Amino acid sequence: EVQLVQSGGEVKKPGESLKISCKGSGYSFNTNWIGWVRQMPGKGLEWMGIIYPGDSDTRYSPSFQGQVTISADKSITTAYLQWSSLKASDTAIYYCAVETSSRIFYWGQGTLVTVSS
Amino acid sequence: NFMLTQPHSVSESPGKTVTISCTGSSGSIASNYVQWFQQRPGSAPTTVIYEDNQRFSGVPDRFSGSIDSSSNSASLTISGLKTEDEADYYCQSYDSINWVFGGGTKLTVL
Repeated sequence: EVQLVQSGGEVKKPGESLKISCKGSGYSFNTNWIGWVRQMPGKGLEWMGIIYPGDSDTRYSPSFQGQVTISADKSITTAYLQWSSLKASDTAIYYCAVETSSRIFYWGQGTLVTVSS
Repeated sequence: NFMLTQPHSVSESPGKTVTISCTGSSGSIASNYVQWFQQRPGSAPTTVIYEDNQRFSGVPDRFSGSIDSSSNSASLTISGLKTEDEADYYCQSYDSINWVFGGGTKLTVL
């Protein structure tokens, strides 16, 4: 069974750094693109970027390039999304999702990030 | 940049059939597979349709997906509507290998 388990919710202050995680199991972690998707309160899904853990090839949406860093640790089948300096506008639910070779997407449960002074 | 456009909302009565469209901005929507996701309030998205018209495991056959090249659109059709189908639905495709999401459609079953 494919599972993506994300780290718990976070409450941070503007300017702080943050790294959230997404642990995959039940599939070949190294050979499937895994991505991050933002959902701001009451809004739709926004693609942030994807990573191919096998060779760490990473692609970013132009909207998020330079704003976040996506990485993966193959040894523990975990992908990460990190910020160096959070803003209030980063408040959202962040989902990870894995795209299998048959274009079936499996989703994590989401991580709520709240940025407030 | 390739974009997908969906109606903001649709509504229909229980037992009826509803179709949600997803129109590509450029190129041919048939050039890349389209997926459909369902998101109920307070929950993560789940896959309903993949590769244009394949139902994900456990999805009832009331759900179907199709492509219409003449209108450069994909469609999700739900027949025999049930109140449990009330949710947000998102289409997804690709711009090269990058993921592209439609803006989402709120389905109300009333």
